Amino acid sequence: QQQVKQSPQSLIVQKGGISIINCAYENTAFDYFPWYQQFPGKGPALLIAIRPDVSEKKEGRFTISFNKSAKQFSLHIMDSQPGDSATYFCAAIRSNAGGTSYGKLTFGQGTILTVHP
Amino acid sequence: DSGVTQTPKHLITATGQRVTLRCSPRSGDLSVYWYQQSLDQGLQFLIQYYNGEERAKGNILERFSAQQFPDLHSELNLSSLELGDSALYFCASSVDGGRQPQHFGDGTRLSIL
Repeated sequence: QQQVKQSPQSLIVQKGGISIINCAYENTAFDYFPWYQQFPGKGPALLIAIRPDVSEKKEGRFTISFNKSAKQFSLHIMDSQPGDSATYFCAAIRSNAGGTSYGKLTFGQGTILTVHP
Repeated sequence: DSGVTQTPKHLITATGQRVTLRCSPRSGDLSVYWYQQSLDQGLQFLIQYYNGEERAKGNILERFSAQQFPDLHSELNLSSLELGDSALYFCASSVDGGRQPQHFGDGTRLSIL
């Protein structure tokens, strides 16, 4: 069951442009939404994360926008650079149930970003 | 370098065999997670251990099992291997469960011939 849907599958932008990746989720019990960046031959690395009580979070060139009512969130990469070329995954966690913390990440299918110089 | 160590990096074996993948978490991390990454299924959560005990389970096959030892390293055992088990297997660790950032190792690439 695909609980987190991610689009587009691939994205090509020019250097200096804005990259936008979108995700939608179904489970309203999700309470934490991280984004991961993965380079070939490496494991995913945490990029930025947001809680549903916040509508936007910015760290450097990376911004998450969150729409709780629409159950959607997106990653914006400003001034995209060739070094940003990687696969990006959105994810969601239901981190607490019955007072116990859990870390089961549910991932989107990934977006291959290519930034041309 | 995430601080999470996975061995071996590559593993080639045949159908029906059994393999063990090993993970050493970051110093101080109590939770260990295992994920499977394949082209058709993407990144799938398998299982989480916290301080030696199973904390959460995903769609892990009955042929697969894992454990976390007193020194907090973890092993994922895959048995009766099938061609479809070929994938990248990632281990991640975090200080605690829940929202704490998960730091991933570079994975073990398993190829079944």
